[in-house]
Amino acid sequence: GQNIDQPTEMTATEGAIVQINCTYQTSGFNGLFWYQQHAGEAPTFLSYNVLDGLEEKGRFSSFLSRSKGYSYLLLKELQMKDSASYLCAVASGTYKYIFGTGTRLKVLA
Amino acid sequence: GAVVSQHPSRVICKSGTSVKIECRSLDFQATTMFWYRQFPKQSLMLMATSNEGSKATYEQGVEKDKFLINHASLTLSTLTVTSAHPEDSSFYICSARVPRMLDRGRVLHEQYFGPGTRLTVT
Repeated sequence: GQNIDQPTEMTATEGAIVQINCTYQTSGFNGLFWYQQHAGEAPTFLSYNVLDGLEEKGRFSSFLSRSKGYSYLLLKELQMKDSASYLCAVASGTYKYIFGTGTRLKVLA
Repeated sequence: GAVVSQHPSRVICKSGTSVKIECRSLDFQATTMFWYRQFPKQSLMLMATSNEGSKATYEQGVEKDKFLINHASLTLSTLTVTSAHPEDSSFYICSARVPRMLDRGRVLHEQYFGPGTRLTVT
């Protein structure tokens, strides 16, 4: 079956670093995406990994290990505006996205 | 970048009526669009894959006669919720798939999301 797991909620302090994990078991793999979603809005693209390793983009980095079915999103220098849900999505063999449960991140002052 | 619009952004309708939601790719052509539903504090659940010029492919558990999808052109897909009931109240989001070449021979099948439609059935 298809299964993507993320922690439901996380809390961190402004200026800190937070790591959001995602584990997956899917039929077919054509890449893993991370999206940010504020309440009532559409998801916005953060990162894409299809090869093992780390992709860095400013304050955000994403890591992938295909053999372990594991990814994480790393957010540095947290800001209040980073409070949102973070969605891990795997592109399956037919390029459909399968979304994880989403992680609600609260950034505290 | 690719822009996807949805209309309407919010709709309130009475139980038993039908509602049509439009999803448009504004500056590109999309042969494949996807429709998702999202309940409060939950993640996005794929409802169906909409392919231009052919029938939509529905996910397991989604009633194709209740959620009618039409993808008549390369820039427009519509979702019609027929005989809506209060349990159909949700946030409906569409996306358009855009394949593009990356470095090292990789292809990114990215999805661009519309802003979503909040449906409330009373």
